[in-house]
Order: sequence, then C-alpha cells, then structure tokens
Amino acid sequence: DARVTQTPRHKVTEMGQEVTMRCQPILGHNTVFWYRQTMMQGLELLAYFRNRAPLDDSGMPKDRFSAEMPDATLATLKIQPSEPRDSAVYFCASGFLIPRGTNEKLFFGSGTQLSVL
Amino acid sequence: KNQVEQSPQSLIILEGKNCTLQCNYTVSPFSNLRWYKQDTGRGPVSLTIMTFSENTKSNGRYTATLDADTKQSSLHITASQLSDSASYICVVSANSGGSNYKLTFGKGTLLTVNP
Repeated sequence: DARVTQTPRHKVTEMGQEVTMRCQPILGHNTVFWYRQTMMQGLELLAYFRNRAPLDDSGMPKDRFSAEMPDATLATLKIQPSEPRDSAVYFCASGFLIPRGTNEKLFFGSGTQLSVL
Repeated sequence: KNQVEQSPQSLIILEGKNCTLQCNYTVSPFSNLRWYKQDTGRGPVSLTIMTFSENTKSNGRYTATLDADTKQSSLHITASQLSDSASYICVVSANSGGSNYKLTFGKGTLLTVNP
C-alpha cells in the first residue's frame, strides 16, 4: 500500500538546537501539507505545497520555521532554533488535489513526535 | 472566522453499543466535510468525505450525515468494537479555487470502547 513516510518518528532535542523533519509523500500526489498537533490546539496547518511550489505558509512562525520541497519525493520542515513550545507532533499529508475539487483524499503520515527540553 | 466545533469532547461506551458524534461548523465557502479516525500514535485516516449535495455516507459500521443548511454533521458508529477506540476528527474544507485550499479541523472526540 502506498503511504506517506515521515522520519524520524521521535525526536528529543535541547532548546536552541536545529531540528529537521522529513516527509516522503505518496508518488503522484501533487499537494503536500505540514501540520502540527497539540492537545490544546488540535491540528494546525503550518504550510503546504502544490507541485513543489509553496502556496501557504501563513501558519508558520517565519523567524524559526522553514519548509521546502527540494524534489517531488521529499518535503522538509526545519526549526532553528527550537524552543520548548515547539514540542508537538508534526504531521505531513499528501493528496492529488485540483482547484474546486470536492472529493480528494488526504493521506497522513504517522507523524514526528518532537520534544524540546 | 472558520471554525469547527465537536461534541462531546470525550465519550466512553461499552463494546457492542452504538454512539453518535457531533460536528458544527462555520466555514465558507463550503466544499466538503470529512471525518477522520486517529488511533493513538498514528496519523488521521479518512473515513468519509461528503460534498454539499450529499446528506449521508457510510463506510462499514460508520455512517456520516450532513445538514448543509444548519451546518451540522454527525458520525454514527454501530455495534462498536474495541478497535473503534480512537479520536474522531471532523474536518471542513473551503475551496474557492485557484491555489486556495483550506482545511479547518475540529479538536476531535476521544472515544473509548470498553469490554
């Protein structure tokens, strides 16, 4: 079965360190999302790409977060420097989405559990 | 502001019983409404997707309903099983075309099915 693969599954780091999370979307999907999930806020959109072009990163703290898609098989989310409030589960999701489409499925990875001490 | 509210926040039922989860939304322009199941430590998995013109959709023991007039949806689980224990997330999509694709997530209902 095709699936979205995220690495690492767990990351513990110290405040101030750089964190890089990686995502391999499902082959053929044109849209990739990064979400953050916390108990308090639920799932929040950080950024998304269509055909590798960044379309919306308004949910991301720009001073420390950056998202890229260097190629169609890899999306990255970096935090530099990391802070304790960044502790959360970060999900990548992919889908084949079209403008005004109404029925497309999104497929989520298993997430990266990040703890910043 | 686009919002999705889910109730109850948590629910405990006995195996074999039915239950209904609620979702109210204020999202515009409405495109579709999705229900996801999220097991502990995993990513959400899609259960159903409904567009404006659909008012019910089933996936096995899961049946979702949509009332676009009142902006309400429900997810009914029949003959619950222990494996139904999970968080159920209601997600509403606003898609105004072009590059605008917005999903608004509810905070989920945590369902526990006890033997």
